[in-house]
Amino acid sequence: DSGVTQTPKHLITATGQRVTLRCSPRSGDLSVYWYQQSLDQGLQFLIQYYNGEERAKGNILERFSAQQFPDLHSELNLSSLELGDSALYFCASSVALGQGYEQYFGPGTRLTVT
Amino acid sequence: GNSVTQMEGPVTLSEEAFLTINCTYTATGYPSLFWYVQYPGEGLQLLLKATKADDKGSNKGFEATYRKETTSFHLEKGSVQVSDSAVYFCALSAPSALSSNTGKLIFGQGTTLQVKP
Repeated sequence: DSGVTQTPKHLITATGQRVTLRCSPRSGDLSVYWYQQSLDQGLQFLIQYYNGEERAKGNILERFSAQQFPDLHSELNLSSLELGDSALYFCASSVALGQGYEQYFGPGTRLTVT
Repeated sequence: GNSVTQMEGPVTLSEEAFLTINCTYTATGYPSLFWYVQYPGEGLQLLLKATKADDKGSNKGFEATYRKETTSFHLEKGSVQVSDSAVYFCALSAPSALSSNTGKLIFGQGTTLQVKP
């Protein structure tokens, strides 16, 4: 158990809908990362927050957004869903910014868009 | 830009065989390098890491050495077990041309290891 929790574990929804994925980092970790794992794209970095502020953006679509709240949990919002958004979405946390710090991954949310 | 290339899988070995999974990288500056493992139906777990050239990361019998001259970080294990069957990801963290290093990971495509009894 990494200490990172993600809800829900599974989500099935229709095209055009909007969903929210939730992540609670390990106790004491200030940095939260979101990654997408799909068969065709592999594991890709989406976005990072540190202590409530956005710090880095990767290949994140404009239809996707995220935020980190004062209690440090984070939410990833996916809207106008398309079939191609079906993937496993991971949240990871680390104690600080910068390379070298270990990231601890949650179990993921499997999103299926039908 | 920064990238990681892993050997294609799947890799199929018999129990107690020697394992090597190749990983090479392209990065600006001096990246930190990681190996993560993903067991079926689970999230990623950090297996080992190295943060500077010639560092050797090790954990649970797995080892990898940060080789700057060959830009490689190959994963090795002397004797694999059935329980090592999983997908292994090589990853790096480094600054890019567009941003300072906030720690985001760039992953290779993953290598599936299957160990048969």
